[in-house]
Amino acid sequence: QVQLVESGGGLVKPGGSLRLACAASGFRFSDYYMTWIRQAPGKGLEWVSFISTRGTHTDSADSVKGRFTVSRDDTKNLFFLHMDDLRVEDTAVYYCVRSNTNFDYWGQGTLVTVSS
Amino acid sequence: QSVLTQPPSASGAPGQRVSISCSGSSSNIGKNIVNWFQQFPGTAPKLLIYSNNRRPSGVPDRFSGSKSGTSASLAISGLLSEDDADYYCAAWDDSLNAWLFGGGTRLTVL
Repeated sequence: QVQLVESGGGLVKPGGSLRLACAASGFRFSDYYMTWIRQAPGKGLEWVSFISTRGTHTDSADSVKGRFTVSRDDTKNLFFLHMDDLRVEDTAVYYCVRSNTNFDYWGQGTLVTVSS
Repeated sequence: QSVLTQPPSASGAPGQRVSISCSGSSSNIGKNIVNWFQQFPGTAPKLLIYSNNRRPSGVPDRFSGSKSGTSASLAISGLLSEDDADYYCAAWDDSLNAWLFGGGTRLTVL
């Protein structure tokens, strides 16, 4: 069965960095785009960034462009979000999502809290 | 403020039919497919409807999706108490080059 397990969340000060990882299993990882979607406490869903198959194409929301970088390791079935210059408004649960045209499988999420 | 507009709340009695709208523009819903998600408090969203009107395996046929022009709708018939949840629409926007989500609709089963 498809499983996506995020890790790496935690408490970080404004301006700090964090790297999230998503371990994928139960499907042919290299065949799928992968996406990060976040949800601030009590708020709605916000698309963050995606990476294409083979990592040839990435794109990010304007709110994180230049600060967040997405990457993947198809040899280890891992998907990453490297976050720099974190801001208080980046506080959210970050979900790893399998995505071609749909977001059909979601991880359980990892909480990132940016606070001094 | 979300570019896809959903009503913040909806409600219905058990057994009734409820519809949730998602309004967009020619650069998103007007050109691209719409997906719908269901989310219970404290849990990850779940794909409910994809490609405007298709249901993933395991989703009851009480849930249906439709799209017309720059708007989409999620309909739930035969409401059950277990349908009490938040619902989100999503579509790719060709002008913004971004995935957009609606602000979400909190459905209360009375």
